[in-house]
Amino acid sequence: AQTVTQSQPEMSVQEAETVTLSCTYDTSESDYYLFWYKQPPSRQMILVIRQEAYKQQNATENRFSVNFQKAAKSFSLKISDSQLGDAAMYFCAYRRRDFGNEKLTFGTGTRLTIIP
Amino acid sequence: DGGITQSPKYLFRKEGQNVTLSCEQNLNHDAMYWYRQDPGQGLRLIYYSQIVNDFQKGDIAEGYSVSREKKESFPLTVTSAQKNPTAFYLCASSKYGTPADEQYFGPGTRLTVT
Repeated sequence: AQTVTQSQPEMSVQEAETVTLSCTYDTSESDYYLFWYKQPPSRQMILVIRQEAYKQQNATENRFSVNFQKAAKSFSLKISDSQLGDAAMYFCAYRRRDFGNEKLTFGTGTRLTIIP
Repeated sequence: DGGITQSPKYLFRKEGQNVTLSCEQNLNHDAMYWYRQDPGQGLRLIYYSQIVNDFQKGDIAEGYSVSREKKESFPLTVTSAQKNPTAFYLCASSKYGTPADEQYFGPGTRLTVT
């Protein structure tokens, strides 16, 4: 079974600084997808960024980027120029690539605090 | 606007009562999911459905039941057999057969059983 581990329950960063959230996963599959979801205080889950395992290039979405290390099974999220609105729980998630298998496996989350 | 609605936002029940949580989507998605969220445990999959009239158990299905009679609707019943029903419940949907696509989440229902 696949597992996703987020070893940092809480992180904090000064506004405008950069922070990196860690995620590791365990799988025997060679092809899969990885996601970072954000859950602000409203508790609405929002997709931040996704990475396809067969792509070597790291995904980037504006201030958000990932460091995908497939051999190490590591998928960290870097937030640059942190803003107050980035304060939230961040969840790493894994999904197999199989057709018809859209189940997501989530990590336990990292609570990110932005210090003004 | 397309999206997922869950009602009510807060739900209170007495122990021993069954309760049904509503989830409706107008995104024309085939697949729908129910997750449970507890503090420190992330999201855990309860049930999912890839097409109408078909659904599969997730990782923690015991004490829950679902139905999928319409594409737009995927209600979750928390039965009296669920030992620890107090939690935050999230419904999600996605296109079927497209694993790269994100799952869209509803705003959630906070269930408190006393």
